[in-house]
Amino acid sequence: EVQLVESGGGLVQPGGSLRLSCAASGFTFGNYALSWVRQAPGKGLEWVSAISGSGGATYYADSVKGRFTISRDNSKNTVYLQMNSLRAEDTAVYYCAKRDSYYYDSSTYIDYWGQGTLVTVSS
Amino acid sequence: QSVLTQPPSASGTPGQRVTISCSGSSSNIGSNYVCWYQQLPGAAPTLLIYRNNQRPSGVPDRFSGSKSGTSASLAISGLRSEDEADYYCSAWDDSLSGQGVFGTGTKVTVL
Repeated sequence: EVQLVESGGGLVQPGGSLRLSCAASGFTFGNYALSWVRQAPGKGLEWVSAISGSGGATYYADSVKGRFTISRDNSKNTVYLQMNSLRAEDTAVYYCAKRDSYYYDSSTYIDYWGQGTLVTVSS
Repeated sequence: QSVLTQPPSASGTPGQRVTISCSGSSSNIGSNYVCWYQQLPGAAPTLLIYRNNQRPSGVPDRFSGSKSGTSASLAISGLRSEDEADYYCSAWDDSLSGQGVFGTGTKVTVL
């Protein structure tokens, strides 16, 4: 059974930093690309970032480019999202999501989601 | 920003058929696959339809997807109370440097 468990969320002041982690199990971790998707309170889904199976290719939404960094440790079956220079508009539940392929491209899709971790940016 | 437009709400009585539309453009739906996700209240999204019209194992055949031009649709036939949820379409957008996009979401209410 595929499981994705996010952690690291919490309350942070504007301008601060936070690192989210997502521990995966139930599949061969290094064989699949992963994504982070967020959902602001009462709002829709917003794609944030993605990383290929090897970690050699990374992708970011324009809204977080230059502030967020995605990485993965295939020896620990864990993907990370380092979030710097946080803003109030980054407040959201952040979901870790597995893609159906090693690559992140137009033919792939998210097939499993974690339960999410809440990030609140407020003074 | 959502570049895929969905109606904010849809409703039906048990047993009815409900259809949700997802309108995009040539850079997303017009040239790429569409997926649909279901988000039950208080839960994470789950995959409902992939590659326009394919159902993952375990998804009832009451759910079906289609695509035509720059629009896609999700149909729920034989509506049940447990189908009350938010539904999101999603596609790759060629104009956004490898960014995936989601629809604005549709709340389905079972009357």
